[in-house]
Amino acid sequence: DTGVSQNPRHKITKRGQNVTFRCDPISEHNRLYWYRQTLGQGPEFLTYFQNEAQLEKSRLLSDRFSAERPKGSFSTLEIQRTEQGDSAMYLCASSSRQGAYGYTFGSGTRLTVV
Amino acid sequence: AQSVTQLGSHVSVSEGALVLLRCNYSSSVPPYLFWYVQYPNQGLQLLLKYTSAATLVKGINGFEAEFKKSETSFHLTKPSAHMSDAAEYFCAVRLIQGAQKLVFGQGTRLTINP
Repeated sequence: DTGVSQNPRHKITKRGQNVTFRCDPISEHNRLYWYRQTLGQGPEFLTYFQNEAQLEKSRLLSDRFSAERPKGSFSTLEIQRTEQGDSAMYLCASSSRQGAYGYTFGSGTRLTVV
Repeated sequence: AQSVTQLGSHVSVSEGALVLLRCNYSSSVPPYLFWYVQYPNQGLQLLLKYTSAATLVKGINGFEAEFKKSETSFHLTKPSAHMSDAAEYFCAVRLIQGAQKLVFGQGTRLTINP
């Protein structure tokens, strides 16, 4: 068990480009969450998967954002036509048993849109 | 709706002094509560969690928190601050319904003075 892994750690992209981030959760965790954190703020919920099913999406998740979790394993978060306002830290977390043992976070992907 | 409020966006203490970070929650049902720590450009690390067992919860790095239902509080304390405690601290409540996602406070930045 190596924890939750996120790649890449840093991404710099030009406005209008598409970017994709990957999250590998703890293998036995069936729940996976994506959060966004801007400077000086707490993480904000974006979306949630239970196994391969995406069960909840925040209103923060515009139609430029899409997330997948094929086969209930790793997950990807894609942002199309990036905007400067998308610059943030994107955090992934996983849990099991309804979070009774806590939610384990990855180190995050820091996106900078220039 | 369940939420948390962290009082004080910035707390500064001297090395060796008591650390007290305040968190109040709002919940109509017994909540699950968490404290996470975040070092610069890192993800979130779980310090401790309250899941309706003992009201005094001990965590890592000498931190502890006490759940007080009458005060709707879950303040984080450490008897003696160390320079390595300098970081951002987040209180979070787990929603009971739906995705059971974590809802975070705005965070408190802890500075340790030598």
